[in-house]
Order: sequence, then C-alpha cells, then structure tokens
Amino acid sequence: NAGVTQTPKFRVLKTGQSMTLLCAQDMNHEYMYWYRQDPGMGLRLIHYSVGEGTTAKGEVPDGYNVSRLKKQNFLLGLESAAPSQTSVYFCASSYSIASGSYNEQFFGPGTRLTVL
Amino acid sequence: GQNIDQPTEMTATEGAIVQINCTYQTSGFNGLFWYQQHAGEAPTFLSYNVLDGLEEKGRFSSFLSRSKGYSYLLLKELQMKDSASYLCAPRGKAAGNKLTFGGGTRVLVKP
Repeated sequence: NAGVTQTPKFRVLKTGQSMTLLCAQDMNHEYMYWYRQDPGMGLRLIHYSVGEGTTAKGEVPDGYNVSRLKKQNFLLGLESAAPSQTSVYFCASSYSIASGSYNEQFFGPGTRLTVL
Repeated sequence: GQNIDQPTEMTATEGAIVQINCTYQTSGFNGLFWYQQHAGEAPTFLSYNVLDGLEEKGRFSSFLSRSKGYSYLLLKELQMKDSASYLCAPRGKAAGNKLTFGGGTRVLVKP
C-alpha cells in the first residue's frame, strides 16, 4: 500500500498563475482533508470531504477550491495564486467515525509551494 | 471554536524524560490525538485519548483530563531520533472527524 500520495512535491508559481494539487489514497478511506502548514501556525484545515462528490469548507478556505470526483482522489485548486499562499500543503485521509477504532488521519508527504 | 496551547520549544538530554503539556478549549470534544512530525516530513500518529487517564505505548505515554481541558505527552528514555515537533490535536463532535492542531512543540534532544 502506498498510503497517501501527493503530487507535485515542489512547485514555484508566479502571482496570478493557477495550479492543481493532487492527493490520492489507497486505503478506501471515506474522509479526506487538505491542510496548509505555516511556521508557528500549525496545521490549518482548508477544505475537507466526507465522501465522493461532497466537499466542505474548513478554517481557511478562501482562494482555494476542491473536488472529489472519485473516492480515492481529492484535488486542491488555486485559481489565482498569491504570495500569501506560499506554504506547505498536506493532504490527509481517514475512515469515518462509524468505522470504529481511532479513525486517525493519515498524512501525505506534503507539497512545498512558493508563490513569487 | 477551539483554542490549543502548547509550549513552542523544549530541550532535553538523551536518556531523559520530557513532558509536553497541552491545554485546549473546545465547543465539543471527541478525543485528543498526538502526532509526531520530523522536520520536512508528514505528521505521523502517536497516540489517542478519549477517556480520562493514561495511555501507554512503549516509551510514549499520553494523559487526558477532560474536565480540565488538559493533556500531556510523556517521552521516556529519550533518543536522538525523538528530536521532532509534537502536535496536540483535539477532535470535535461535528461531522467530518475534524482535528484542530496546536502550533506544535519542537523537542530538541541533545547528547
């Protein structure tokens, strides 16, 4: 099992450019999440999804859009990148609460994005 | 909303014990997670508490007091590889299994 994978690993954008970050998981998890991590601020939730075809806003959704067309994939889009979006982006996935156990979130390796 | 407070940085000697405290305020509570994150890497799950008391997993233990909104992570017999950030993350009761992460405590283990 690959777990949670993210592409690309690194990216440099110019202000105003757009891009899509791809997250894939092979654990058959219902829930998926996108976070950003900035120095001293911890992980902040951008958007999340509780199932195929559904998405919801997290703590810091502005400037981002997401889609979950397939259960295993969760895409994060930046339509017009801004320097404030320079960050490390982590995707995570978990079983639903109904699945029992801890339902801990499993994280991908991260995407380091710089917006100039 | 949720407020989470944990120290920014701690230093300890190899072989020693370190206790990382976390206090939280939540509008609903459904367990608390601790994650470890090495520099430049993804967070990995360490421990979970949902009831009051101590959970022990080898060299790592985690304690929870729901009435006090308090948890700690205890790292025993510190090794150099334990140098990392430790993230406290309470889970709310709202749909989505969502976690709110503290800023993390950076632990530096010195020889």
